[in-house]
Amino acid sequence: QVQLQESGPGLVKPSQTLSLTCTVSGGSISSNGYYWSWIRQHPGKGLEWIGYIYYSGSTKYNPSLKSRVTISVDTSKNQFSLKLSSVTVADTAVYYCVREYCSSTSCRIDYWGQGTLVTVST
Amino acid sequence: DIQMTQSPSSLSASVGDRVTITCRASQGIRNDLGWYQQKPGKAPERLIYAASSLQSGVPSRFSGSGSGTEFTLTISSLQPEDFATYYCLQHNSYPRTFGQGTKVEIK
Repeated sequence: QVQLQESGPGLVKPSQTLSLTCTVSGGSISSNGYYWSWIRQHPGKGLEWIGYIYYSGSTKYNPSLKSRVTISVDTSKNQFSLKLSSVTVADTAVYYCVREYCSSTSCRIDYWGQGTLVTVST
Repeated sequence: DIQMTQSPSSLSASVGDRVTITCRASQGIRNDLGWYQQKPGKAPERLIYAASSLQSGVPSRFSGSGSGTEFTLTISSLQPEDFATYYCLQHNSYPRTFGQGTKVEIK
């Protein structure tokens, strides 16, 4: 059974960089067809896709966040990470790491981490 | 970006009711649509992929249909554990975009 677990500080000061890591267990991050992604949810609101990384290192980001986002992968540790710079209170959210599987015909998110609340505050 | 519009935003229903939720895409997305269920304080969980295929472990009372710009999620007989918020997600292009959610509440 694949499991994803987010880790990182729950409190970040404005203008600083939010850093989260997702540890994947029960499966290899280096398998073909899997896109390792971050999604966030503002308190009481809907879901926002942040971006993905493939094990090869290729990335795609949401244009709304692109200038501030970096997603990286460490295949030796079976982890991938999110960095979001210059945060403001508007970045306060629950952050989820997820696995999106894409076959030749379709894609789906088949596993979600439990989520971690990151609060931006002084 | 592709805009996903869900309706209704909320509904009240009773156990045993048939429930239908609609998701409309701002442009054609073939059948590249998934449905996800979220309970309070929990991460979303998988339900449907490719518009109509049940993800592993999902009860058969859930079904999906549609193609192009209009999609539906149907719960054939609502169970107590189905009271939750449901989201559609388009997997057709980047950035991925979600519908705003439909909250299913107990009548």
